[in-house]
Amino acid sequence: TQLLEQSPQFLSIQEGENLTVYCNSSSVFSSLQWYRQEPGEGPVLLVTVVTGGEVKKLKRLTFQFGDARKDSSLHITAAQPGDTGLYLCAGPNTGNQFYFGTGTSLTVIP
Amino acid sequence: SAVISQKPSRDICQRGTSLTIQCQVDSQVTMMFWYRQQPGQSLTLIATANQGSEATYESGFVIDKFPISRPNLTFSTLTVSNMSPEDSSIYLCSVGTATNQPQHFGDGTRLSIL
Repeated sequence: TQLLEQSPQFLSIQEGENLTVYCNSSSVFSSLQWYRQEPGEGPVLLVTVVTGGEVKKLKRLTFQFGDARKDSSLHITAAQPGDTGLYLCAGPNTGNQFYFGTGTSLTVIP
Repeated sequence: SAVISQKPSRDICQRGTSLTIQCQVDSQVTMMFWYRQQPGQSLTLIATANQGSEATYESGFVIDKFPISRPNLTFSTLTVSNMSPEDSSIYLCSVGTATNQPQHFGDGTRLSIL
């Protein structure tokens, strides 16, 4: 059983479009992280959200933590080919085990 | 953040052989972890490498198959033993300050078994 389910699993969009990736769980997390992984490289930490309802922005990326701390979303505005990669949410649950989400593979077509 | 170097970056091996992957960090770190990842998929934790003691393995992974060493706070190795084609995967080393804190990753080792 996957503790963190991401949707969609695959996403292919044209440059300039907007998109949202979701990370959902039935468990409460003290924090959630978002990583991006490009081919041939390890995941790179993008952001950590800690407070329920928190919104963080990183240039064209907007991250939100759900009020109940069970879910998170990543919104990309005006996607660019450089945004292509595998997006992973992750976090510790109340049992202090660290889980990674199922992943969303994004392709931005020039 | 810490700079993590993994060697080799990729290898092609014959079934039945073993390969040792090295993970070197440029600073002392509390926690080191080893993950397996199928291309395009999420990460599965193999074990936590403990300095000076036996690694802590996750369900489905055993020491005989994936022996791990961690002789100091900057270095760890993962050996994939008696390899079969099912072991073809990307193996990643990561570091963190605690088990429940964000982690930083090396670039991984892409392993193919013929």
